[in-house]
Amino acid sequence: GENVEQHPSTLSVQEGDSAVIKCTYSDSASNYFPWYKQELGKRPQLIIDIRSNVGEKKDQRIAVTLNKTAKHFSLHITETQPEDSAVYFCAGGGTYNFNKFYFGSGTKLNVKP
Amino acid sequence: SAVISQKPSRDICQRGTSLTIQCQVDSQVTMMFWYRQQPGQSLTLIATANQGSEATYESGFVIDKFPISRPNLTFSTLTVSNMSPEDSSIYLCSVLRTLTGELFFGEGSRLTVL
Repeated sequence: GENVEQHPSTLSVQEGDSAVIKCTYSDSASNYFPWYKQELGKRPQLIIDIRSNVGEKKDQRIAVTLNKTAKHFSLHITETQPEDSAVYFCAGGGTYNFNKFYFGSGTKLNVKP
Repeated sequence: SAVISQKPSRDICQRGTSLTIQCQVDSQVTMMFWYRQQPGQSLTLIATANQGSEATYESGFVIDKFPISRPNLTFSTLTVSNMSPEDSSIYLCSVLRTLTGELFFGEGSRLTVL
């Protein structure tokens, strides 16, 4: 099955700086890569995703890049704000994996004001 | 996104007992899944809940311990059987939005086993 690895496990940045979280996946059949934000005590919330036929996607301060050849994808948050502080999870999977999704180990992002 | 309701939201149980968690979705969905999130950890897929047939379990999870039902396209249950303190976790129901392939989660059921 799919194996998703995520780095770093913790990330501390100053407000206004950028944050980058990286993930790798093992199964070339995976074709959909979502990112989730989970605040303490809450459910994971989908914040952005990317499909295997796209190299980059942006949504305001958030962007995701995908390198299919190298099997890695990254989340970029620019102009970080304290409310960005949370745990972020990447996932890999999709239609060619029976629509199942496997998650990375998570990154705890701390944005210092 | 679909509205996904889970019950109970939390429970404290005694070792050796069983608990059934319910997941109700406000619209028909093709794919439903159950995940486990142990304290401070990531999300681990337990099984795919198949409508009208036996669930498909991931490696390390078995039907005797985590029986799952899915009688229709909007409802599923997960039972945690013969619980031990190691089963203390958040259990999350998730659904796949067919048109977009996006995965959404319920609020989770926080289970504490004493």
